[in-house]
Amino acid sequence: KNEVEQSPQNLTAQEGEFITINCSYSVGISALHWLQQHPGGGIVSLFMLSSGKKKHGRLIATINIQEKHSSLHITASHPRDSAVYICAVSTPHFGNEKLTFGTGTRLTIIP
Amino acid sequence: NAGVTQTPKFQVLKTGQSMTLQCAQDMNHNSMYWYRQDPGMGLRLIYYSASEGTTDKGEVPNGYNVSRLNKREFSLRLESAAPSQTSVYFCASSESGRNTEAFFGQGTRLTVV
Repeated sequence: KNEVEQSPQNLTAQEGEFITINCSYSVGISALHWLQQHPGGGIVSLFMLSSGKKKHGRLIATINIQEKHSSLHITASHPRDSAVYICAVSTPHFGNEKLTFGTGTRLTIIP
Repeated sequence: NAGVTQTPKFQVLKTGQSMTLQCAQDMNHNSMYWYRQDPGMGLRLIYYSASEGTTDKGEVPNGYNVSRLNKREFSLRLESAAPSQTSVYFCASSESGRNTEAFFGQGTRLTVV
C-alpha cells in the first residue's frame, strides 16, 4: 500500500461543476502539499497545510490530521483547471524533510 | 523571477550514452532535489542536497550521479544511459527546515533508445 493514496485517479466534469479530489496518507506528517501539473509543464505548488483549511481564489484545501485525510476543492471549475493534481506529504528526514508523492489525479473540465 | 531552471527540456539518448541535466535556482535555497516521474507512479527522489557541498542518495539513485556545484546549481549525470531511465526528470529546491514549500523546474523529458 502506498503511503499516499489519491482518488479519483481520473475525473472529467463539466465547466462550472464543484470538484473534489481526495488524498489519504498513512504516516505521521509535518505538512501536506497540493501541487498542480499542466500537460507538458512544470509542477506548481498550490497549498502547503498542516491543519485546518486554506483558500486561494476558487481553490480550497482542507486537512483532517486525525483522519489522515485531505481534500482539494475547486469551485466553479473552468477548462483552464484541467491538469494533474498531486498530493504530497512532508515527513522528517535527518534534520530535513522528505516529500512522498501520490500518483496524481488527472482532471479534465469540459466546456 | 526565474525560480528553478532546468535544461534541457527534451533529450533523446542512445543506450550507453552519457549526459548531464542542469538545474539552477535563484532563491538562495539550501536544499535541492532531483526526482523522476514515471507513468502510474508518484515522483521518486533520486538524490538530494541539503546544503552546498553535501549530497545524499534518495529512493532510486542507481545509475545516477550528482554534483552540487555551488549553492545555485545541482546537476544530475547519467554515465551510461539505459532504457529504464526513460522518464521525466524534475529538479526542485526549498528552504531548509520543516514545513517549507518546494519549487519545481519545468522538467526534462528524457528518452533512452
